[in-house]
Amino acid sequence: GENVEQHPSTLSVQEGDSAVIKCTYSDSASNYFPWYKQELGKRPQLIIDIRSNVGEKKDQRIAVTLNKTAKHFSLHITETQPEDSAVYFCAATGANNLFFGTGTRLTVIP
Amino acid sequence: DSGVTQTPKHLITATGQRVTLRCSPRSGDLSVYWYQQSLDQGLQFLIQYYNGEERAKGNILERFSAQQFPDLHSELNLSSLELGDSALYFCASSVVSGSNTGELFFGEGSRLTVL
Repeated sequence: GENVEQHPSTLSVQEGDSAVIKCTYSDSASNYFPWYKQELGKRPQLIIDIRSNVGEKKDQRIAVTLNKTAKHFSLHITETQPEDSAVYFCAATGANNLFFGTGTRLTVIP
Repeated sequence: DSGVTQTPKHLITATGQRVTLRCSPRSGDLSVYWYQQSLDQGLQFLIQYYNGEERAKGNILERFSAQQFPDLHSELNLSSLELGDSALYFCASSVVSGSNTGELFFGEGSRLTVL
């Protein structure tokens, strides 16, 4: 089945700096790659997603890039703000399911 | 509000007991997924249903079972509970499944504490 690896597990940045989270996947048939943000005690919520026919997608301060050949995709957050502090999960489709990475705890230091 | 409803929000029970968690998906969504999230852990996939049928199974223990009913709501049954079963159980729903999987909408979760 699909195996999604996510790095780093924790990330601290100064407010205003950029943050990058990277994921790799194993199933070359995967075609949908969402990113979810989970604030403490809350449910995961989709922040951005990308399909395999697109290499990059941007939404304001958030962008996702996909390299199908290397089977990796990344989340980029620019001009980070304290409210960006949360756990971020990447995911990839495979076998009728969405497989999640292990999460990255992002802390933005004011 | 995601449109996915989970009950109960909190549940405290003793080891050896059995509980049932309930999930109502968003209107129109045919797929229901169950995930387990232990403290500071990731989202562990348990099981998925699509239009009443089991579609995919993850690392779900034999003590756990689930079903999706004709009205598309789903129940996750946890029996012979152990301390290690304490976790936040999320239900999520989506319109489609398989290679067309799109956004999953998560409920608020059911926090289970086993004492």
